[in-house]
Formats: sequence, structure tokens, C-alpha cells
Amino acid sequence: QKEVEQNSGPLSVPEGAIASLNCTYSDRVSQSFFWYRQYSGKSPELIMSIYSNGDKEDGRFTAQLNKASQYVSLLIRDSQPSDSATYLCAVNTGDDKIIFGKGTRLHILP
Amino acid sequence: EAGVTQFPSHSVIEKGQTVTLRCDPISGHDNLYWYRRVMGKEIKFLLHFVKESKQDESGMPNNRFLAERTGGTYSTLKVQPAELEDSGVYFCASSMGLAGESEQFFGPGTRLTVL
Repeated sequence: QKEVEQNSGPLSVPEGAIASLNCTYSDRVSQSFFWYRQYSGKSPELIMSIYSNGDKEDGRFTAQLNKASQYVSLLIRDSQPSDSATYLCAVNTGDDKIIFGKGTRLHILP
Repeated sequence: EAGVTQFPSHSVIEKGQTVTLRCDPISGHDNLYWYRRVMGKEIKFLLHFVKESKQDESGMPNNRFLAERTGGTYSTLKVQPAELEDSGVYFCASSMGLAGESEQFFGPGTRLTVL
């Protein structure tokens, strides 16, 4: 059973601090990794994709991938109240399916 | 450009009834995916269309679920007869390329409640 694991949270982070979200996956052949943000009652929205080991930065967001450890993370710098949402980690299984984690609820404290 | 749209936004039906969900993907997106999120669980893949063809329907729970995409445009997902465990949020997503290669754009979802 291919799985994506995330801490469900909630993760509370003071405004302006760095929020760190973590995800592990079970399928070693996975090559594509995604972070989605989902506001309550809304649809998931892609915020980062990463395909190779290392860091990928986009504005305040940095995705980190370590395929040897089967670990992917998302850092949000200078956290804002508008970053409060559920963050979904998703992994491509190699057969054109994406598997999602249950998501981590992030709460930015003003 | 319009995003992915889904209809209805909510549906409440009784066990044994039939419900049809509709998804209109972004124009030009050949790939269309259906997902479902049951309360407390992760979003799970149901099936994938490439144009009008079913590429992968391995996630469909059972034969009470029927998906179609006639003409390769909009898609419908019919549940007949509905059971209590079918309750959840059904998301549709579309993309230009395959799931691992290009961004999937999600619709707002249809919240299905089976009583």
C-alpha cells in the first residue's frame, strides 16, 4: 500500500516566523512531489512542485526533497495569517496517479 | 480563463437513490481526474480520462460508480444506487499533461451526503 504520511497538526506558528511542514512517502520510485494549499471549504491549490533532491525556492516558500530518506518538506518564511490553511503533500506514484497525505493544518498566530 | 467547475456544489440524497455529478475541465485540458475525500481521510484517486478514454479507473470503489466523458469535454460521475459510505467531497481536476508532469487544477468539489 503506497502511502504519504503527514502530521495532522494543528501546527501553530507566530506571525513572521518560519513554518515547517513535513511529509514522508513509501514508494521509492516516486519522482514528482507536490505541495497543495487548501483553505477550508475550497479546492486544493498547487503552490510548489519539486522533482530533484535539494531545495527549491519560490518567494516565501521553499520545498526540500530527500529521496534517500523519502522525505519532502515545505518551509514558509515570514508566515502571514493568510497562510493559515491545510497543506497537502502529494506524490506521483509513477503510474500517473497522485497520492495525497491527509494534510497538516497550519495556524498562523497574529 | 474559467477554471474547473463542478455541479452541484452540494447534494443530499437518500440511500438507494441516484446522483450524477458533473465536471467541466479547463478548456484544452485533455487530462481529467476524479478524486474523493471521505471525512477524516486523505483525497483518493478514482479515475483518469485522457480525452474521452478512461486511462485508469483503478480507484473506482465498485460498479455502483460510472464515469463518462463523452466527446472529451465535460465528465459525469454517476453513483447508482448510493450507499451511506459514498458520502464525501468529490473533486475533479484537469491538466494539460499527465499528473506527474504538469499542474492539476482542482474544481471546488461536490459535497455528497447520503442519508
